[in-house]
Order: sequence, then structure tokens, then C-alpha cells
Amino acid sequence: GNSVTQMEGPVTLSEEAFLTINCTYTATGYPSLFWYVQYPGEGLQLLLKATKADDKGSNKGFEATYRKETTSFHLEKGSVQVSDSAVYFCALKTSYDKVIFGPGTSLSVIP
Amino acid sequence: DTEVTQTPKHLVMGMTNKKSLKCEQHMGHRAMYWYKQKAKKPPELMFVYSYEKLSINESVPSRFSPECPNSSLLNLHLHALQPEDSALYLCASSQDGTRGADGTQYFGPGTRLLVL
Repeated sequence: GNSVTQMEGPVTLSEEAFLTINCTYTATGYPSLFWYVQYPGEGLQLLLKATKADDKGSNKGFEATYRKETTSFHLEKGSVQVSDSAVYFCALKTSYDKVIFGPGTSLSVIP
Repeated sequence: DTEVTQTPKHLVMGMTNKKSLKCEQHMGHRAMYWYKQKAKKPPELMFVYSYEKLSINESVPSRFSPECPNSSLLNLHLHALQPEDSALYLCASSQDGTRGADGTQYFGPGTRLLVL
């Protein structure tokens, strides 16, 4: 079946460190891929997305590239800030209106 | 305006109470969703409405009853809940339910529900 796997963490980084959160997926067809972020006490916000192979999504310094050959959509940021502390969810959309979320990766950035 | 609003923000209810959660969006989206999220877990899909009709029910117990009065509003009626139903309830909307749409969902801030 369709699924999303991501490193669960928690991940702890120092401010200005490089961030990578790995995400791989299993899906039939050509899904759209997303990264959502959830700050403490809030709902989910779309961080970035890619709808076809080799597309790169980017937002707020975060980037992810849709790699069909490796079925991956890894999230990266060159220099994290304390304000990036949150839970990050990788997700895909396959069939009509159903989004599948990964388990989430908790990120803590310390000054 | 990309905002989805939810009320109330917090709700405490007993197992014999009846309450409702409300969700509203004014983005012209035609698909709306209810999710349940437990701490440190991803959201779990409960219901999907597409063009004001219930299109997906993920085998949710009947003590949860969704309602879509119009294309901008989504309610979740709660009755005889159990303590294990305590969670964050998230509403979301997306532009269109048809194939070809990329499926970006916009989430509200959630209602944090505690069942005593």
C-alpha cells in the first residue's frame, strides 16, 4: 500500500547548523509530495510541495526535491534558527482527496 | 485569505455531554476534512466532504457525527465520547476534490478536546 517513512527523531541541532530530514515514500502512480510543519500548540502549515518528478519545492530557506528514482523527498535547510523548532511531517497525496502523513520528526534548535 | 478558523479553541466535556466543533473557510474550497491528532502522532483522517457531500468516512465511531451545512462550514457533533477521544481535532480544506488538483490542504489551528 501507499506509505511515507521519515526519520522520527527527536533531532536536536545548534543554531546555524545544517538540517536534513529524510523522507521516502511508497505509492502507485505519481503522487504529489508535501512537507507540513506544526509549531507547538498550533495546527499544521504547508511548508513546501512538489507535484512531479524533479520538481523542487522551497520556502523560508527550506528545500526538498521530488526524486522519483529513489522515491524520496528529503527536507533540507542550510542554517536553522531557534524559531524552526517544530514537528515536520512529510506527506503524499495519491487517490481522490486522501493525504498520507509520515510519523513526524520533532526538531529542537538550541541557541 | 488562506485561513481556516475553528471554534472553540479548547473544550472540556463529560461523557454524557453533547457538543459541536465548528470549522469555517472562505477560500472557495470544495473539499473539507476532519482529522484527529494525538500527541506526538500524525493527523488521522476521520471524514472528507467533497462538494458538500460526505465522500470518505474512515470507519469513525457513530459518537462522532459530521455535518456540512454549506460549502464554507463544517461541523463535528460529539455525543457520548470516551476519555480516549481526548485529542486535537483539526479541520482542513482543499481547493478541489477532483483528480489533477495537487491536493494542498490548509489546516485550522484545531480544537483541543478533553473528555472527562
